[in-house]
Amino acid sequence: AQRVTQPEKLLSVFKGAPVELKCNYSYSGSPELFWYVQYSRQRLQLLLRHISRESIKGFTADLNKGETSFHLKKPFAQEEDSAMYYCALASNAGGTSYGKLTFGQGTILTVHP
Amino acid sequence: DTAVSQTPKYLVTQMGNDKSIKCEQNLGHDTMYWYKQDSKKFLKIMFSYNNKELIINETVPNRFSPKSPDKAHLNLHINSLELGDSAVYFCASSQSLAAYNEQFFGPGTRLTVL
Repeated sequence: AQRVTQPEKLLSVFKGAPVELKCNYSYSGSPELFWYVQYSRQRLQLLLRHISRESIKGFTADLNKGETSFHLKKPFAQEEDSAMYYCALASNAGGTSYGKLTFGQGTILTVHP
Repeated sequence: DTAVSQTPKYLVTQMGNDKSIKCEQNLGHDTMYWYKQDSKKFLKIMFSYNNKELIINETVPNRFSPKSPDKAHLNLHINSLELGDSAVYFCASSQSLAAYNEQFFGPGTRLTVL
């Protein structure tokens, strides 16, 4: 079974402060991991995926297989980063679970001015 | 220009009624999904279809029946609605079933069962 855990439901920081949104996963195979974001009054959209190894809007995430984590980080938070962030894992296994995306519970990030 | 669209945006209905939510994508994707987001904002997959074929069918009451008339459409019909069905339902699509693919989400349909 695949599971994603985001331990923080709410996270508040001040503008310019570093931010880290935690994500841990449980999966027996080699996972595909993502961060999706939902800004106020917008639809859920992809922020970044580990396979791309890219930085989007200043955010990065490193897959740590030893700690089974995929934490999202940004060195200097901006007010426009305030949103709901979901960590998600997609199954690489064949059969009826292939491509199944399992989401964490989500973390609401608020960046104060 | 909207990539993934859903209708209606809001749906308010009485317990016991039957209702449908429609989803369309104009991205040329092969795979479509339905997700349910509960009151705590937890997102859980319900179904996925690939080229009109049902792939993922999570533990969902059989009152929920998806239908894919073609690759661009995936509708969700719900029979005998219950209070617990109140939620936001999201449709999504991806290029294929491959796990690394980005999923593109619709705006959601907020269903309220009274």
